[in-house]
Amino acid sequence: RKEVEQDPGPFNVPEGATVAFNCTYSNSASQSFFWYRQDCRKEPKLLMSVYSSGNEDGRFTAQLNRASQYISLLIRDSKLSDSATYLCVVNRGAGFQKLVFGTGTRLLVSP
Amino acid sequence: GAVVSQHPSRVICKSGTSVKIECRSLDFQATTMFWYRQFPKQSLMLMATSNEGSKATYEQGVEKDKFLINHASLTLSTLTVTSAHPEDSSFYICSARGRTGGANEKLFFGSGTQLSVL
Repeated sequence: RKEVEQDPGPFNVPEGATVAFNCTYSNSASQSFFWYRQDCRKEPKLLMSVYSSGNEDGRFTAQLNRASQYISLLIRDSKLSDSATYLCVVNRGAGFQKLVFGTGTRLLVSP
Repeated sequence: GAVVSQHPSRVICKSGTSVKIECRSLDFQATTMFWYRQFPKQSLMLMATSNEGSKATYEQGVEKDKFLINHASLTLSTLTVTSAHPEDSSFYICSARGRTGGANEKLFFGSGTQLSVL
């Protein structure tokens, strides 16, 4: 079993739709959590950190459930430019030493 | 904001040759840099952690004699793939840990290098 599991997708949605991605992690000692966005053959870019209290950044909302070891990302009012692969990332230690990346969920937003 | 520059962005080489990839932190000092590899449709996998002035720490299964890492200064780390073979073809990405403008420490990624070994 992978340490960070994601549905690879692709998720095909029309513009304006709301879409949600889920991620589970197996190491209960994981300390911090992130969603990254990666375009094809480009570097990952930090989308947002994820906190137990839930956090929102514009159209993006992230949620962490430590008890269930589950992380989610909700995208509202999808834009064409949201098409990308979304990586769930878990940090097992301090100082980014132990970042573990999920394989990513691919999102395709169509007109 | 902080920038990490990675070169080259793409390289095609013959089997048996060596390829050097550079990763530079442009406006901050990076005491630690990380090297990742990503095969198609797979996740980024950490290869090694590079600390300035000391030997790199390699992850299990990564051959240190094949993937030579040098971190001679606070702004430059290099990864050399020695005697490259087709199975080494992959997307290699570096990242640097640093602090800019007194903010919290962050992780900054280079733009990646697509290596194709013929």
